[in-house]
Amino acid sequence: DVKVTQSSRYLVKRTGEKVFLECVQDMDHENMFWYRQDPGLGLRLIYFSYDVKMKEKGDIPEGYSVSREKKERFSLILESASTNQTSMYLCASTPGTGSYEQYFGPGTRLTVT
Amino acid sequence: AQSVTQLDSQVPVFEEAPVELRCNYSSSVSVYLFWYVQYPNQGLQLLLKYLSGSTLVKGINGFEAEFNKSQTSFHLRKPSVHISDTAEYFCAVSEWGGNQFYFGTGTSLTVIP
Repeated sequence: DVKVTQSSRYLVKRTGEKVFLECVQDMDHENMFWYRQDPGLGLRLIYFSYDVKMKEKGDIPEGYSVSREKKERFSLILESASTNQTSMYLCASTPGTGSYEQYFGPGTRLTVT
Repeated sequence: AQSVTQLDSQVPVFEEAPVELRCNYSSSVSVYLFWYVQYPNQGLQLLLKYLSGSTLVKGINGFEAEFNKSQTSFHLRKPSVHISDTAEYFCAVSEWGGNQFYFGTGTSLTVIP
């Protein structure tokens, strides 16, 4: 079974802190994604990566950056956390382009106070 | 880019009754279609997917969905729901040759005993 893990299930940070969310997949997948999920808005794509050191902006990249130094790991960085970044963050991966479904991690619920 | 519409944000239904969750997408280009389920405080799990071939797709937990190309719809159905089906359901679309997935805003299904 494909496994996507996220470093924390729950995280509480203060405004202005730098926050790192880590995602690791164990099936040699090419593509990895970061979404945020908010009630009534569904999943919105923040960034995705289709190869090591490659990244593309999604729909809501402002206030976020990403890093993919190794194929299995995709990090989401909040440079200076703000209260409007309080949300559920979901990581996903796919084997590559094509008819593949996404495999999701359990999510990180981030609260910024 | 695709736009995915889930027409009902909340669907209450009595146990053992049938249910239909509706999903429409915007474009008539060739697409892959997915339904995911999310239980409280968990990531998303794949229920079923349409890639090609038969327009009626069967998934896990007794769910099925029908692809209608002319109406750009992919509605999810179950003939008899159980309490354990209470969850959030997301419809998703990806385009042939594309990397991105487009999600609807979700439908919260509540099964009433």
